[in-house]
Amino acid sequence: DGGITQSPKYLFRKEGQNVTLSCEQNLNHDAMYWYRQDPGQGLRLIYYSQIVNDFQKGDIAEGYSVSREKKESFPLTVTSAQKNPTAFYLCASGQGGSYEQYFGPGTRLTVT
Amino acid sequence: DQQVKQNSPSLSVQEGRISILNCDYTNSMFDYFLWYKKYPAEGPTFLISISSIKDKNEDGRFTVFLNKSAKHLSLHIVPSQPGDSAVYFCAASARWDNQGGKLIFGQGTELSVKP
Repeated sequence: DGGITQSPKYLFRKEGQNVTLSCEQNLNHDAMYWYRQDPGQGLRLIYYSQIVNDFQKGDIAEGYSVSREKKESFPLTVTSAQKNPTAFYLCASGQGGSYEQYFGPGTRLTVT
Repeated sequence: DQQVKQNSPSLSVQEGRISILNCDYTNSMFDYFLWYKKYPAEGPTFLISISSIKDKNEDGRFTVFLNKSAKHLSLHIVPSQPGDSAVYFCAASARWDNQGGKLIFGQGTELSVKP
């Protein structure tokens, strides 16, 4: 059963701590993406990766970091430098050359 | 600068009637457009898409229309059903080999279909 998994569903952290969000896909997709959604706003791109060991900054990369060591995995680290980390984070994947992206269930991160 | 705009934050429609969701864009380099449906606390699911070489794409109850000269697209749902109640996002992309499949999303329109 192919799909994208994100864990955990809910995550709570204290301000000043780094936190890593997991994203795994078994769709054999080349490209993977991280977005965040804030209330009343659309999805904004944080980072994306077209192939293993390569990734590019999206529109709001400051305070975030990623790695792409395996095709199946694209973890996102929210660092203490991110000014407003509380948000709903969505991971997506897509086949190379295709515009359709398929999303995971999301992780809601709350930082207090 | 919001390149993709959905100016109606919400829309309420009676069951069985047509729902029309609108989306405007500013970047003439966009060549592919998608609609996603999203329930609260879940990831968006792909609904329907259209390439810039077409002006209409239909899939069951869902039809997307593209007016390139006006930089406007719309999603028609007919007949609307209560299960269609969700937030709908339009998204746009430029050439994949150039932009890596990046999608630019609108702010979303919350559709409520009343029985």
